[in-house]
Amino acid sequence: QQQVKQSPQSLIVQKGGISIINCAYENTAFDYFPWYQQFPGKGPALLIAIRPDVSEKKEGRFTISFNKSAKQFSLHIMDSQPGDSATYFCAAMMTGANSKLTFGKGITLSVRP
Amino acid sequence: KAGVTQTPRYLIKTRGQQVTLSCSPISGHRSVSWYQQTPGQGLQFLFEYFSETQRNKGNFPGRFSGRQFSNSRSEMNVSTLELGDSALYLCASSLSAGTGELFFGEGSRLTVL
Repeated sequence: QQQVKQSPQSLIVQKGGISIINCAYENTAFDYFPWYQQFPGKGPALLIAIRPDVSEKKEGRFTISFNKSAKQFSLHIMDSQPGDSATYFCAAMMTGANSKLTFGKGITLSVRP
Repeated sequence: KAGVTQTPRYLIKTRGQQVTLSCSPISGHRSVSWYQQTPGQGLQFLFEYFSETQRNKGNFPGRFSGRQFSNSRSEMNVSTLELGDSALYLCASSLSAGTGELFFGEGSRLTVL
């Protein structure tokens, strides 16, 4: 049972365009929703995260939109750049001492120059 | 501040052998998590250690084990290696257990022949 599902599986965007990656979760007890970015040969790095008490969070060109009733959240990358080409993982967890971060399978974003 | 350090970065083993991977967390971080990354399954949680105690464990067979030392450094061991164990093993550290703000190392890539 996959608790966190990402779509699309891959994405190609032109430079300057908007990249949108969606994520759906099943467990309504989840209360922390991060996005991680991974470049080839590197480990994932935390990009941006949101908690369910807000519907949107923006950090530079990156925005998370959160829809609690639909159990979905998405990552928007504005003015996409070739340097944004990477694998993006959404994740979710219920914070607490014995909880763990559950990741989606990841999507590969390619930004064409 | 040094990041998470994993050793070795690459290793090749044959079926039936065992392997030990090492992780040094960021200074001051007391929690260490381990993840297995494969193209088909994405990032799968192995276990988390905090203050030398295993706090959480994923759905992996008993051949996968780990431990944490008093200086927060961690090791994971895989015994009786199988071909399907070929993967990138990622270690992540965090300030405390149960937080989704993980800092990943670059991983140890294991190939089982």
